[in-house]
Amino acid sequence: GENVEQHPSTLSVQEGDSAVIKCTYSDSASNYFPWYKQELGKGPQLIIDIRSNVGEKKDQRIAVTLNKTAKHFSLHITETQPEDSAVYFCAASIGYNFNKFYFGSGTKLNVKP
Amino acid sequence: SAVISQKPSRDICQRGTSLTIQCQVDSQVTMMFWYRQQPGQSLTLIATANQGSEATYESGFVIDKFPISRPNLTFSTLTVSNMSPEDSSIYLCSATMASGSYEQYFGPGTRLTVT
Repeated sequence: GENVEQHPSTLSVQEGDSAVIKCTYSDSASNYFPWYKQELGKGPQLIIDIRSNVGEKKDQRIAVTLNKTAKHFSLHITETQPEDSAVYFCAASIGYNFNKFYFGSGTKLNVKP
Repeated sequence: SAVISQKPSRDICQRGTSLTIQCQVDSQVTMMFWYRQQPGQSLTLIATANQGSEATYESGFVIDKFPISRPNLTFSTLTVSNMSPEDSSIYLCSATMASGSYEQYFGPGTRLTVT
């Protein structure tokens, strides 16, 4: 089955700096890659996603890039704010079964004011 | 997007008892899922809740321990049976929209503590 690895496990940045979280996947059949933000005591919230026919996608301060050849994808957050502090999870979905997600281990992002 | 609610939000239960968690979605969905999340850990898929038929369980999870129902398109229940302290965890319901997108949305979770 698919294996998703996520790095780093913790990330501390100064407010205003950029943050980058990286994930790798093992199954070349994966073709949908969402990112979730989970705040303490809440369920994961979908913040951005990308499909395998796209190399990059942006939404305001958040962007995701995908390298299918290398089987890795990354989340980029620019101009970080304290409210960006949370745990971020990447996931991959196998091409023929989009609904089954394989999650990374999570990255705890701390944005220092 | 969809709004997913879960009841209860948290509970403290005694060893050997069972707890049923309810999940309600406010719009038409195709797939519904149940996940478990240990404190500080990632999400582990327990099963896919199928409407009108038996749930599809992932390796390591069995129907006798985690019976699941999905009587209609927008509602599902997960029961944690014969609980032990090892079942203490957050249980999350999720769903994908009937619009055909790949997006999967999560409920707020049920925090279960077994004493």
